[in-house]
Amino acid sequence: DQQVKQNSPSLSVQEGRISILNCDYTNSMFDYFLWYKKYPAEGPTFLISISSIKDKNEDGRFTVFLNKSAKHLSLHIVPSQPGDSAVYFCAAPREGGSQGNLIFGKGTKLSVKP
Amino acid sequence: DTGVSQDPRHKITKRGQNVTFRCDPISEHNRLYWYRQTLGQGPEFLTYFQNEAQLEKSRLLSDRFSAERPKGSFSTLEIQRTEQGDSAMYLCASSPFTGGSEKLFFGSGTQLSVL
Repeated sequence: DQQVKQNSPSLSVQEGRISILNCDYTNSMFDYFLWYKKYPAEGPTFLISISSIKDKNEDGRFTVFLNKSAKHLSLHIVPSQPGDSAVYFCAAPREGGSQGNLIFGKGTKLSVKP
Repeated sequence: DTGVSQDPRHKITKRGQNVTFRCDPISEHNRLYWYRQTLGQGPEFLTYFQNEAQLEKSRLLSDRFSAERPKGSFSTLEIQRTEQGDSAMYLCASSPFTGGSEKLFFGSGTQLSVL
């Protein structure tokens, strides 16, 4: 069973505060995980990734944490900005498929209020 | 603009008609993917090309769906005898893939509505 789950359909935070988006997965053999951001009427845009051998990856305001024992990862955005308002998808490459054969979660809609 | 281009942006068709979508990937990218996204869901993988070879197809891809990438550049996705359940956003993505984690560059998609 290979699933990526985002159980929070939406999240609202105040500008300047931290946004934490969560993702759970079922397959402990996933090689790495990716986060994509999607604005309305646009395709998803790659944001950040993390290898399964690491527990943290940071890129500017964005940090992804991986907890393999819990099969959980989270994306932290600090500080949050109104331009971060978008749908965020967690994804992982399907085991046995090509590297770009990604399994996506359902997404979390982030709203950052000024 | 050198991003992934998809045409048309919107397509409305009647059930039973055939439709074809086009994708122009980023020129130096040798990998091309088609995904489908319905409301409230994440994108779902449909098929993958490396250059002109179709190397992988999802079980989601029924016999009514066919994709081509004849010269390893642009790609087309055809749906024959459309059904209302085919209504979705069809996304194309390309990748240069040089090892490690693969980053997909998505187009803005073609929104299909089957009446």
